[in-house]
Amino acid sequence: KAGVTQTPRYLIKTRGQQVTLSCSPISGHRSVSWYQQTPGQGLQFLFEYFSETQRNKGNFPGRFSGRQFSNSRSEMNVSTLELGDSALYLCASSLQAGGVNTQYFGPGTRLTVL
Amino acid sequence: DQQVKQNSPSLSVQEGRISILNCDYTNSMFDYFLWYKKYPAEGPTFLISISSIKDKNEDGRFTVFLNKSAKHLSLHIVPSQPGDSAVYFCAASEIGNEKLTFGTGTRLTIIP
Repeated sequence: KAGVTQTPRYLIKTRGQQVTLSCSPISGHRSVSWYQQTPGQGLQFLFEYFSETQRNKGNFPGRFSGRQFSNSRSEMNVSTLELGDSALYLCASSLQAGGVNTQYFGPGTRLTVL
Repeated sequence: DQQVKQNSPSLSVQEGRISILNCDYTNSMFDYFLWYKKYPAEGPTFLISISSIKDKNEDGRFTVFLNKSAKHLSLHIVPSQPGDSAVYFCAASEIGNEKLTFGTGTRLTIIP
């Protein structure tokens, strides 16, 4: 079974621009979560989607948004990019069959804001 | 407020010996704990997990121990191999909630 895939793997943008990152979960997985990893803050939870609905949200400004499609694929968008948004953005999926759900991560998208 | 802490930023262990990585948490609502291994510029790879109804879980060379009263968990790797060199993160969540709270990571180096 294929793992979580993320596109693109690398991205360079300038301040003020916006960016869209894509994530395809493991087949059959219905929950998709997004995380940001930076040297200073570590791995931080952004949000989680299940059945096209955002169920949980971390402490990030409204410039960070996401959505999930009917096939469970997810996108996250960052508007008005700031230098501090440079980070590795990770997507994770889980089965969401009730009870304990282990999250499996994709390889990440490295975003550099100049 | 760091709810999950890994107090050792780095650890060096001789090949073949036991590696012990530690993690402490403060949120008593956490009841599911995971360990991930991570290489630079890659996503975390799931290693092993434990729910709060157990105090030990084993999978091959990896064993996780949970001490709920001390709010402490540890990952034991026996025997340690050079391929184990990576950054290890512990993570915690509440069952039914997908949000993972991560520790800051421990860089494990296995010395041949």
